Amino acid sequence: GENVEQHPSTLSVQEGDSAVIKCTYSDSASNYFPWYKQELGKGPQLIIDIRSNVGEKKDQRIAVTLNKTAKHFSLHITETQPEDSAVYFCAASRDNQGGKLIFGQGTELSVKP
Amino acid sequence: DAGITQSPRYKITETGRQVTLMCHQTWSHSYMFWYRQDLGHGLRLIYYSAAADITDKGEVPDGYVVSRSKTENFPLTLESATRSQTSVYFCASALDRRNTIYFGEGSWLTVV
Repeated sequence: GENVEQHPSTLSVQEGDSAVIKCTYSDSASNYFPWYKQELGKGPQLIIDIRSNVGEKKDQRIAVTLNKTAKHFSLHITETQPEDSAVYFCAASRDNQGGKLIFGQGTELSVKP
Repeated sequence: DAGITQSPRYKITETGRQVTLMCHQTWSHSYMFWYRQDLGHGLRLIYYSAAADITDKGEVPDGYVVSRSKTENFPLTLESATRSQTSVYFCASALDRRNTIYFGEGSWLTVV
């Protein structure tokens, strides 16, 4: 079945540095790739997403890139701030599967002041 | 704007008991989902529903039952709880199959 691998599992950066989280997916028919941020004790919240007809998408300090040939996508956070500290999840899905998301295992990002 | 409300937020139950986790959304979203979150596994889909009276299995459906008689409600029932069902359960919804999936705040379930 569909599988999404996410790396690294933990990431520690200094405030102001960039952070990169990478995911690979197995189902070549996947066409929707969201990223969620989960703070302690809360539900995941969508921070950015990308569809397979686009190679890159940016929203202020956050960007996502997609390489369909290699079946991997990445989250880039620039100028990190302490409030960026959280667990980040990538996911993949196909539209014709009712939007069911297959999640990566998560990356715990720690931004040190 | 209430969004998605899950109840109870925290529950401790005994092995073999039936437990129902409630999920209510105020957006009139067609799609609703139940995920469980366990350390090392991320979030895994249990069941989902495309509309009232339409449900389908996800990745890990064994031991769970769902129903959706009304668009806004999607309860998840553990018919006979086991320790392996100790987890955090998240309900989610989406307007349709191509739209953003929004998550509730989670229900922490411990089976002793």
